[in-house]
Amino acid sequence: EPEVTQTPSHQVTQMGQEVILRCVPISNHLYFYWYRQILGQKVEFLVSFYNNEISEKSEIFDDQFSVERPDGSNFTLKIRSTKLEDSAMYFCASRKGLDYYEQYFGPGTRLTVT
Amino acid sequence: RKEVEQDPGPFNVPEGATVAFNCTYSNSASQSFFWYRQDCRKEPKLLMSVYSSGNEDGRFTAQLNRASQYISLLIRDSKLSDSATYLCVVNGEYGNKLVFGAGTILRVKS
Repeated sequence: EPEVTQTPSHQVTQMGQEVILRCVPISNHLYFYWYRQILGQKVEFLVSFYNNEISEKSEIFDDQFSVERPDGSNFTLKIRSTKLEDSAMYFCASRKGLDYYEQYFGPGTRLTVT
Repeated sequence: RKEVEQDPGPFNVPEGATVAFNCTYSNSASQSFFWYRQDCRKEPKLLMSVYSSGNEDGRFTAQLNRASQYISLLIRDSKLSDSATYLCVVNGEYGNKLVFGAGTILRVKS
């Protein structure tokens, strides 16, 4: 069964450093998402991406964040200058198409900012 | 009012018990509804979509009441492996992003 994959599983970085989180969505899916979950809190939407552009973003997704689909398979989330409060699990998700609302999540990247 | 509200639990039940979770949502424009399950420090996994007519998948039954903006999940014959956090999820405006509840913790004990 096709799955969303994410790398790395755990990333430790120092405050102020840039990080790139990588995702490979399910191959025939068209919509891609990033969510995050701070420890002990609920899952929160960050950004959605369709047809090579951002279709929606949350208030969390400020100028420090960017997304890219550099080739036909990868989908990346970049945080330019990490803050302590960026420490969280970051989940990538994908969705098949317009008439399919289910989203499938990758295993997540645990980001720890020290 | 929270967008998606759930009783946090925990629900502690013996194996074989029937347990029900409820959820309310605030956005009347929501069109899609789901239950996901999340194990500790893992990703949310889709358990089932919820339809207006109600739907069943084995031991799991989901119901939707659009008028009351209320969603439920019933688990029959609970197994130890059902222990997890159950997330009530609705889609946001434009059918795009998912909005998550904080989750209900279920612990099934032998």
